[in-house]
This record gives sequence, structure tokens and C-alpha cells, in this order.
Amino acid sequence: DTGVSQDPRHKITKRGQNVTFRCDPISEHNRLYWYRQTLGQGPEFLTYFQNEAQLEKSRLLSDRFSAERPKGSFSTLEIQRTEQGDSAMYLCASSLRIGSQETQYFGPGTRLLVL
Amino acid sequence: LAKTTQPISMDSYEGQEVNITCSHNNIATNDYITWYQQFPSQGPRFIIQGYKTKVTNEVASLFIPADRKSSTLSLPRVSLSDTAVYYCLVGDRGGNTPLVFGKGTRLSVIA
Repeated sequence: DTGVSQDPRHKITKRGQNVTFRCDPISEHNRLYWYRQTLGQGPEFLTYFQNEAQLEKSRLLSDRFSAERPKGSFSTLEIQRTEQGDSAMYLCASSLRIGSQETQYFGPGTRLLVL
Repeated sequence: LAKTTQPISMDSYEGQEVNITCSHNNIATNDYITWYQQFPSQGPRFIIQGYKTKVTNEVASLFIPADRKSSTLSLPRVSLSDTAVYYCLVGDRGGNTPLVFGKGTRLSVIA
């Protein structure tokens, strides 16, 4: 257990529905990342926050995806109008950047299945 | 971002030392080399990170030659529980770029 938690661990939804995932990072960590991982592939970066500011978004993050980190603590990732291609493991990672050093710690992930 | 190349898979017997080599020919001066381990249905777990020469911790050793164009993760005396996917990543340790994962190396440890 790295100290990063994600909820829910599994989600099954029908195409067209909206889903929201939550990530609780390690408490003192100022950076929070979202990744997506499909079967047989490594995780792919989606977006990240430093405190409450969203600093970077990947081209993978279509306009159906939105992420927030309102108070610089937990974060949510919402997918609107889900498509079957959204089926994947969604991973959250947090880190504490001190000077030039940073190590990301990952949560267990939320596995999404869109029917 | 420096791209990495690793073997797709490796097999080993329990108790053996396993060495997984990663090529990163375009590594930049500021880049560090980081290895993660991932078990099925879990998030990746940080194993080790280094810049040059050798780094050792309680889990593994990381060997980096002088030209830094490759690195080798060494797992001493593997057990069945070391069966996992191992990812080699190269990037600015300062976090100026997000982690870029390849497909990793699937290590299977056999009894």
C-alpha cells in the first residue's frame, strides 16, 4: 500500500453514461497525476496538478474528460458520455517535489468497463 | 523525451539472479533512469532510480555504464512473487516532464 487510494476500484457502466473517479493522494504530496492503462500497454499520461492548478493535459484527454483538484488535496476524474474505447484502468499517482527530486507513487487504480 | 527499449518478456527460475537491460540511446544530460514494477490489477511501484554508475537498495541494483545509453536492473535471487512487468523510464527527475511508460518487460519466475 503506497498511501494513494482510489475509489471505486471497479466500475461497470453503459455507453453514454457519465462516470467519476476519485483519488486521495499521500497527504503532504503537492503533485497529482492521472494515467490510463489498457491491456498489455504501459500507463499513458493524461493530466497532472500541482496543488490545485492543472498544469498539463495530454492529447489523450478529450473534451469528454475533466479533472479537478479543488483544494489541492483529493482529485476527481470525470468522463462524460462514456464510449467503449474508454474501457481501461485509470491510475492516479502523487508525488512531493522538493527541489529537483520527485518520485511518483501510484494508487491501485480504477478499472472501468464500458458496455 | 528519451525513448526506451526493453525485452518484451523474460523467464527465470526461482533463486536465480535476473538482469533486465534497457536501451536509451537518446538520454539527455538531465535525465535519470527509473524502474517501476507492476503486478496485475495494481498500480506501478517504484523500485529504483539512478543517474550513473551503480545504485543499490533493498530490492534491486541498477547498473549504468559511463555512456548512459543503457541500464540494467538486477534482481537478486528472484522468487515467484517477483513475477511482474518491469518498466524502465528515462526522464527529468525534477518532474518537468510526465512519466512515459513503454510496454515493459514481463518477467515470469518459474518454480
